[in-house]
Amino acid sequence: ILNVEQSPQSLHVQEGDSTNFTCSFPSSNFYALHWYRWETAKSPEALFVMTLNGDEKKKGRISATLNTKEGYSYLYIKGSQPEDSATYLCAPLREWNSGNTPLVFGKGTRLSVIA
Amino acid sequence: DAMVIQNPRYQVTQFGKPVTLSCSQTLNHNVMYWYQQKSSQAPKLLFHYYDKDFNNEADTPDNFQSRRPNTSFCFLDIRSPGLGDAAMYLCATSRDRLAGGLNEQFFGPGTRLTVL
Repeated sequence: ILNVEQSPQSLHVQEGDSTNFTCSFPSSNFYALHWYRWETAKSPEALFVMTLNGDEKKKGRISATLNTKEGYSYLYIKGSQPEDSATYLCAPLREWNSGNTPLVFGKGTRLSVIA
Repeated sequence: DAMVIQNPRYQVTQFGKPVTLSCSQTLNHNVMYWYQQKSSQAPKLLFHYYDKDFNNEADTPDNFQSRRPNTSFCFLDIRSPGLGDAAMYLCATSRDRLAGGLNEQFFGPGTRLTVL
């Protein structure tokens, strides 16, 4: 069973603050890491799919880094806005003999941005 | 807009009464997934279809079945819902499983199931 840890479980920040949270996963047989944002009453939507150690991806004010050797990824939000309030899920994918294993999601980090 | 649609958004059923959740997609994706998410827990994959090829997760209870009559539609059947099956059920699609995990998944808004 793949153990995926996301921390913190929840956080509250003021509008304009920058924030970051962590996804930890076993580094063995790493293949890819997905990040999703899930706003309340909406569909989860993909933010990033990352594969390379040291990779950094950016979408607007949101960016993510990946360390496959130590098994973690950071998600950063610069200048948080109320519309960033959501649950952020990470899901690593491992390479296995018969192909890739399914995504295993973490419990997510629930972000609330207070105006 | 191309999308993944789930109906209904909220479903109430009685203990032991069979229930079917539906998912449709306009993306023409090969792969369709069903996830179960219980309160404060991670979404858990129940099974997925690659085209018509059904792939069940080892720990998915027999109580859960799925049908995919065509590319666009996929159904989740819960034969005898128990109180522990109350959860959010998410449907997702991706373009091609065999391309590796590099293809993002596209999710529907979910169906919240209540079991009385």
